Amino acid sequence: QSALTQPASVSGSPGQSITISCTGTSSDVGGSNYVSWYQQHPGKAPKVMIYDVSNRPSGVSYRFSGSKFGNTASLTISGLQPEDEAVYFCASYTSSSTLYVFGTGTKVTVL
Amino acid sequence: QVQLQESGPGLVKPSQTLSLTCTVSGGSISSGSHYWTWIRQPAGKGLEWIGRIYTSGSINYNPSLKSRVAISVDTFKNQFFLKLSSVTAADTAVYYCASLPFGDYEFDYWGQGTLVTVSS
Repeated sequence: QSALTQPASVSGSPGQSITISCTGTSSDVGGSNYVSWYQQHPGKAPKVMIYDVSNRPSGVSYRFSGSKFGNTASLTISGLQPEDEAVYFCASYTSSSTLYVFGTGTKVTVL
Repeated sequence: QVQLQESGPGLVKPSQTLSLTCTVSGGSISSGSHYWTWIRQPAGKGLEWIGRIYTSGSINYNPSLKSRVAISVDTFKNQFFLKLSSVTAADTAVYYCASLPFGDYEFDYWGQGTLVTVSS
């Protein structure tokens, strides 16, 4: 099971919107309703931002949204803020015995 | 709020066994509410799911590591463990423990991670 593909970096100015893609296959992202997104600041534990493709956990800002089309899931951050600068990675439950596969991670920079 | 903290040697020699502990606080590991999971990230690479354990004894491993990995739990100490045998430099990574709510599919709490280097 190969890692999900994400862009290495995405940047934007404060207030702008950015979208991070997460591309897999029909065995994972394309065939799963269970794609999640995580935010990780340096030296900190990852934090779940989106689960089940598009659901936000309690306490996560409405500025974070998720979607999926085919084998690609996406995380959109609207109204970009300095505190959004972090690494974001996706994860998908799979139909194989490798139950979970993760994305390669995207560094978000707020210009 | 549940907190997880990894601990263990930061340096392991090739061919030896890597052993890590995850201590859970703020919740009972025996409550049956979560799977307890290990994940790792080699430098410059993506995350890799290693395996998970449920307190019923149900365990799932990544097939690519299954022959070398063992995950166990100590409900009295509120800890769970990772053992990875016959390590090589390729096993050098940051190792994370995480919790996965039973019936859900996202990892709700993570430890901060611990770097394990395999080197002689």
